[in-house]
Amino acid sequence: DAGVTQSPTHLIKTRGQQVTLRCSPKSGHDTVSWYQQALGQGPQFIFQYYEEEERQRGNFPDRFSGHQFPNYSSELNVNALLLGDSALYLCASSLANSNQPQHFGDGTRLSIL
Amino acid sequence: RKEVEQDPGPFNVPEGATVAFNCTYSNSASQSFFWYRQDCRKEPKLLMSVYSSGNEDGRFTAQLNRASQYISLLIRDSKLSDSATYLCVVSQVGGFKTIFGAGTRLFVKA
Repeated sequence: DAGVTQSPTHLIKTRGQQVTLRCSPKSGHDTVSWYQQALGQGPQFIFQYYEEEERQRGNFPDRFSGHQFPNYSSELNVNALLLGDSALYLCASSLANSNQPQHFGDGTRLSIL
Repeated sequence: RKEVEQDPGPFNVPEGATVAFNCTYSNSASQSFFWYRQDCRKEPKLLMSVYSSGNEDGRFTAQLNRASQYISLLIRDSKLSDSATYLCVVSQVGGFKTIFGAGTRLFVKA
């Protein structure tokens, strides 16, 4: 039973560039949420996708966008990267309309130079 | 005020000690509550869900007080391997609006 998988594991970009991160949910899950975790902080909710649509969004600018595919996998895109975007990006999957906990992937560590 | 607040920590305790973490939440519509554990540079992993009646899993006990909007985690007989950051997580029905606390760091020393 495959858990949540994310790619790539690490990424280095420069300011102004664009990045795409990928996530495959745990088998049987249909909802994907993305979080940004800066060093020493708890994960901050970016947005959640369900049925290929953004279902809810946290307090992040439009530079952060996403997509969900028919197979429930998801992408997070960040444009015009800033130094402050350096963080661990976590993907979590869950079953919609369930109170069961989310399952997290290993994360993508993004460094902006 | 943050939606989910935890003890700032860090907590430094000897092996065998009992340690308690506290968490408060501000949204009374919150329905689901969890404690996650996060090791350094790793992803959060579910430690336990928190139920109104309180629940126990080995050395770990979680309590929820809906009236006070307060959640706790008690670790008995601390082990070196318990050293990690403990995250309080609160969400609404169906996983809506899932909010993490900033985490409380625990160091267990021999």
